[in-house]
Formats: sequence, structure tokens, C-alpha cells
Amino acid sequence: AQSVTQLDSHVSVSEGTPVLLRCNYSSSYSPSLFWYVQHPNKGLQLLLKYTSAATLVKGINGFEAEFKKSETSFHLTKPSAHMSDAAEYFCVVRSMTTDSWGKFQFGAGTQVVVTP
Amino acid sequence: GAVVSQHPSWVICKSGTSVKIECRSLDFQATTMFWYRQFPKQSLMLMATSNEGSKATYEQGVEKDKFLINHASLTLSTLTVTSAHPEDSSFYICSASEDVLGEQYFGPGTRLTVT
Repeated sequence: AQSVTQLDSHVSVSEGTPVLLRCNYSSSYSPSLFWYVQHPNKGLQLLLKYTSAATLVKGINGFEAEFKKSETSFHLTKPSAHMSDAAEYFCVVRSMTTDSWGKFQFGAGTQVVVTP
Repeated sequence: GAVVSQHPSWVICKSGTSVKIECRSLDFQATTMFWYRQFPKQSLMLMATSNEGSKATYEQGVEKDKFLINHASLTLSTLTVTSAHPEDSSFYICSASEDVLGEQYFGPGTRLTVT
């Protein structure tokens, strides 16, 4: 079975300070992992994805994530938060089990608040 | 490229009526489309997977007779909520993919309110 756990439901940061959103996964297979962002009442936008190439993945808007197999983690970081980063962030693992082939499994989400 | 649209973006309907939501891939052919449901301040829950020309596969606990999915072409899938009830009020999001292991491109979502 595969699962994904976002360790923080809510993160508050000051503008200009680093952002860290934590994600752990469990998978019997080499996983494909994604981070998506959702602004209020909007659809999802892909920030970045890991598909077994480089373990350090750079995404849009200055975000990056590092795949650490030994720690089963895929934490999302950004060196300097911007007010526009305030949104909901989802860590996603693609299932590769027989009965869930190709399906996305979403974490519970992390709400990011950016204060001036 | 890779744009997915949904129509309508929001809809209000009365209990007992049916409402249809469209999901279109605008610039690619989507062999597979996924339908998700999202309650306020919660994560996305996969409802069903549809492949063009075949019946949708529903997740456990999702009533297939209530949530009718049709994927008649490579660019269009529809979700019809039949005999809607207030508890069906939710944010419905679709995604489209060129194949089941391809990247999923998400639509902007449809806010359904049942009164």
C-alpha cells in the first residue's frame, strides 16, 4: 500500500523567511511524487515532481524539494516566502499498486500563511 | 499547453434536480480523466477514473448511479450529479491525462451548492 503524510496542517511564516513543508511517504515501489499548490477556490497548479531522476527537484516560483529515500521524505522548501505564496499545498504520491495503477493519492494538505 | 477547463465554474441547484459538469482538455487528447471531490478545508478525494470509450471505474463508497460519468471523446468527460442533495454540495475537480501514467492536468474546479 502507498500513503502520504503531510506533517503540518498549518504553517505560518513571515515574508522573506524560509518556508519548509514536510511530507513523508510510504511505498512498496519507487514512487513518483508531486507537490501542488491551490489558491482559494482555484484548481491545482503543479509546483514540481520527482520521477526517479535527480533527487533535488527544482520547481516553479523558487520552490524545490529533495527526495530522500532513506528518510522516505519529500519536503518542499523555498528560501524566501512571498505574500503570494499563501495557499494550500498538497503532497501527492502516484500509486503503482495493481488495484490503484496510476492514481494520485493526496496528502491532507498544509495551509501556508504569510505575514508581512 | 496542457489546459483543462471545467464548466460551469459554479452552480446552484435545488434538491432533487440533476446537474452536469463538463471537463475538457483544450489542447491535448485525454485518454484518461479523473474526477475528484473536495470538501471545505480538506484534501481531494478521488471519485472515479474514466477512460475514453469505456465505463468509469468508481472508488469504493462512491455511488455510480448517483455520480454518472461519461467520457465519450478524447477531449470531454462529464459528471452528472443525479437527484442532488445538500450533502452533495462540494468542490468538484477534474484532471486529464494523455495516459494513465502521464502527468495529470487539473481543471479549475466547479463549486456545486445544492439548496
